[in-house]
Amino acid sequence: RKEVEQDPGPFNVPEGATVAFNCTYSNSASQSFFWYRQDCRKEPKLLMSVYSSGNEDGRFTAQLNRASQYISLLIRDSKLSDSATYLCVVNPNNAGNMLTFGGGTRLMVKP
Amino acid sequence: GAGVSQSPSNKVTEKGKDVELRCDPISGHTALYWYRQSLGQGLEFLIYFQGNSAPDKSGLPSDRFSAERTGGSVSTLTIQRTQQEDSAVYLCASSTTPGMLAKLFFGSGTQLSVL
Repeated sequence: RKEVEQDPGPFNVPEGATVAFNCTYSNSASQSFFWYRQDCRKEPKLLMSVYSSGNEDGRFTAQLNRASQYISLLIRDSKLSDSATYLCVVNPNNAGNMLTFGGGTRLMVKP
Repeated sequence: GAGVSQSPSNKVTEKGKDVELRCDPISGHTALYWYRQSLGQGLEFLIYFQGNSAPDKSGLPSDRFSAERTGGSVSTLTIQRTQQEDSAVYLCASSTTPGMLAKLFFGSGTQLSVL
């Protein structure tokens, strides 16, 4: 089993739709979690951190479920510009050397 | 510079040749990472530098790969006797705070093509 797993997609949704992705992780001791966004042929960029209580940034909501070992990303009112690959990142400890990236979920928002 | 700088942006080489990829992190960032990303795949960890500590080389795929970081700043990733399976985008990232916050700033990568 991979340490961090994501459905590769693609998720094809119309503009204005709400879409959600999950990411499962295998190490129950994982300490911190993040979502990165990667546009086609570009470098990844931090979208948001995921806090235990859940957090929201505009149209984006991230949640953590420690019991089931997954994190989620919800995008409301999808825009064409949201089309990208969303990477889940898990850090099982507080050291930098253990950051693990999921394979990414591709989102395509259609007009 | 304002961001992480990588050079060259593209490198085409012949099988068996050595290549050097360079990463210039954001000034003051103590943590530096190298990742590899094959087409349509996720990021594969290669090596991690943190300050003056010994680097974590656990992700290097073979002894043909090596990296160094001089003066806690610029890093060079060297691939000796390149093979076709080494073709990928090599991404460098730096961070001011290792681990917990994990806000990595990535360079735009070096696209390596081994013919």
